[in-house]
Amino acid sequence: AQSVTQLGSHVSVSEGALVLLRCNYSSSVPPYLFWYVQYPNQGLQLLLKYTSAATLVKGINGFEAEFKKSETSFHLTKPSAHMSDAAEYFCAVSERDDKIIFGKGTRLHILP
Amino acid sequence: GAVVSQHPSRVICKSGTSVKIECRSLDFQATTMFWYRQFPKQSLMLMATSNEGSKATYEQGVEKDKFLINHASLTLSTLTVTSAHPEDSSFYICSVTVGDYEQYFGPGTRLTVT
Repeated sequence: AQSVTQLGSHVSVSEGALVLLRCNYSSSVPPYLFWYVQYPNQGLQLLLKYTSAATLVKGINGFEAEFKKSETSFHLTKPSAHMSDAAEYFCAVSERDDKIIFGKGTRLHILP
Repeated sequence: GAVVSQHPSRVICKSGTSVKIECRSLDFQATTMFWYRQFPKQSLMLMATSNEGSKATYEQGVEKDKFLINHASLTLSTLTVTSAHPEDSSFYICSVTVGDYEQYFGPGTRLTVT
């Protein structure tokens, strides 16, 4: 069965600084991996996804993530944080069967 | 534009009553929809998979008689919380699978049971 671990329930970065949100996964088959963002009282919006093509995936709003099979990781990064990036971020894994398993989420705080 | 809609966005009901939440796929037909539940400051937990024209598949620990799911058409799935209690208060989110197992999520429904 697949699982996702997000390191750090809260991450704070200064505006303009690098954003790094960590995600490690476990899967018995080559997985699909996702990052979603959730703003307060809203549904989830897909930032990016890995589906076995390029290991470096670029998403919306300047975010990108790199799939590293040897490390079973799919960390999310953004070179320069913006105040509007403050939100909850969820890493998720799918074993290609429609079912998605979410991590516990990381709340990103942006410091002025 | 939005791919998935939910109605209502917020609902308050009294303990013991039932509440119906609708999830609509706006731009395409969806044979499968998913229902999630999210407690405050927690992750999404899959409750059930809604299958058009057949019975829903419930995750372990989810009471199928309490959370009734009806997927009567390719664009509509409903979740009915029966005999709601305060502990059912939560954020309920539906989703639809599109393409490479990518899910589009509805905006969610905030249920408060008093």
